[in-house]
Amino acid sequence: AAGVIQSPRHLIKEKRETATLKCYPIPRHDTVYWYQQGPGQDPQFLISFYEKMQSDKGSIPDRFSAQQFSDYHSELNMSSLELGDSALYFCASSSQGSDIQYFGAGTRLSVL
Amino acid sequence: GDSVTQMEGPVTLSEEAFLTINCTYTATGYPSLFWYVQYPGEGLQLLLKATKADDKGSNKGFEATYRKETTSFHLEKGSVQVSDSAVYFCALLGRGAQKLVFGQGTRLTINP
Repeated sequence: AAGVIQSPRHLIKEKRETATLKCYPIPRHDTVYWYQQGPGQDPQFLISFYEKMQSDKGSIPDRFSAQQFSDYHSELNMSSLELGDSALYFCASSSQGSDIQYFGAGTRLSVL
Repeated sequence: GDSVTQMEGPVTLSEEAFLTINCTYTATGYPSLFWYVQYPGEGLQLLLKATKADDKGSNKGFEATYRKETTSFHLEKGSVQVSDSAVYFCALLGRGAQKLVFGQGTRLTINP
């Protein structure tokens, strides 16, 4: 069965650079979520989208932005990267009305 | 706000031992409760869920019962295997909410 696809799997950036993370949800899933997991930490919710509209917002820095496109894929744009942004970024998807979120394998971002 | 507290790890057991990982929660209303598992280098996988009081979620020999009176959702398995070695996260989803709230995770290592 198709799963949530995230790209790239690994990304290395320098401080103050920008990064774009992509997420392709499970087919027919209309809701996408982004989470950030720091080293040894639990995942923290960043933002979610339903039908291309932002549906909830968590502890997402102003330097980050995200959107969901007409094909339901989503991108997380991160600017002015800081060392503290180094983390595993997960995307999850679900279908409206379901309480189960299916997670991708994550993108590991390292900021040097 | 909503929160989840898990027993601190790491937990190390011998193969075929009995496993309990404690999880308690604080939430308004009646959240849905989940256990997710994260194998090394992989994303989060849903292990089991329960949506109302006294529901029992089960999968792959793991069980957890939604206890409203004690606000708990402890994970149990009667006989663990080496392949169960992973990090386990307890999580809740508030009614009408978008974001999962995770506990801090418990690293489980099973020795042969």
